[in-house]
Amino acid sequence: GQNIDQPTEMTATEGAIVQINCTYQTSGFNGLFWYQQHAGEAPTFLSYNVLDGLEEKGRFSSFLSRSKGYSYLLLKELQMKDSASYLCAVGSNYQLIWGAGTKLIIKP
Amino acid sequence: DGGITQSPKYLFRKEGQNVTLSCEQNLNHDAMYWYRQDPGQGLRLIYYSQIVNDFQKGDIAEGYSVSREKKESFPLTVTSAQKNPTAFYLCASSIDLWAEAFFGQGTRLTVV
Repeated sequence: GQNIDQPTEMTATEGAIVQINCTYQTSGFNGLFWYQQHAGEAPTFLSYNVLDGLEEKGRFSSFLSRSKGYSYLLLKELQMKDSASYLCAVGSNYQLIWGAGTKLIIKP
Repeated sequence: DGGITQSPKYLFRKEGQNVTLSCEQNLNHDAMYWYRQDPGQGLRLIYYSQIVNDFQKGDIAEGYSVSREKKESFPLTVTSAQKNPTAFYLCASSIDLWAEAFFGQGTRLTVV
């Protein structure tokens, strides 16, 4: 079967750094996406990795290792507005397979 | 401004009634999708469409139907055959299957 695993919930402090991990087992691979979703709202796109390595975009970075079936999203200089769920999704064959999301709680 | 619009944001229906959720996009995207999101679960694909007049079933298509008569529109009908219709429904579109997806605001459907 196809499976994506993420931690259910994480807590971090404002101004700190947090790493959200995602492991996947899928029958195909066409890239890995990270989305942010605030409670009750629609997901918004953060990053896309299709080759191994680190992609940096401002305070957010995403890493991919295809051989290990592993990705992480790194959030630096955390702000209260970063409190949200972070969804990992893998392109497999003709659809995206989604993880259940990681709820990130930021404390002052 | 370009975007994707779902309506309504909240919808209540009685059990046994069919209901249609609207999704319109003016991004000129070919691909459109319907997802269902339940607490503690990832997004699950109901239907997707890559071009006008063509659509494919996703993992949980039973009890749902769609149409794609225009590029801009991809309405979803939740039929009385859907056993657990109460959920948060998200519509999305993208240039193609592997591009960034843009989501509508979602429709929270409650069936009583």
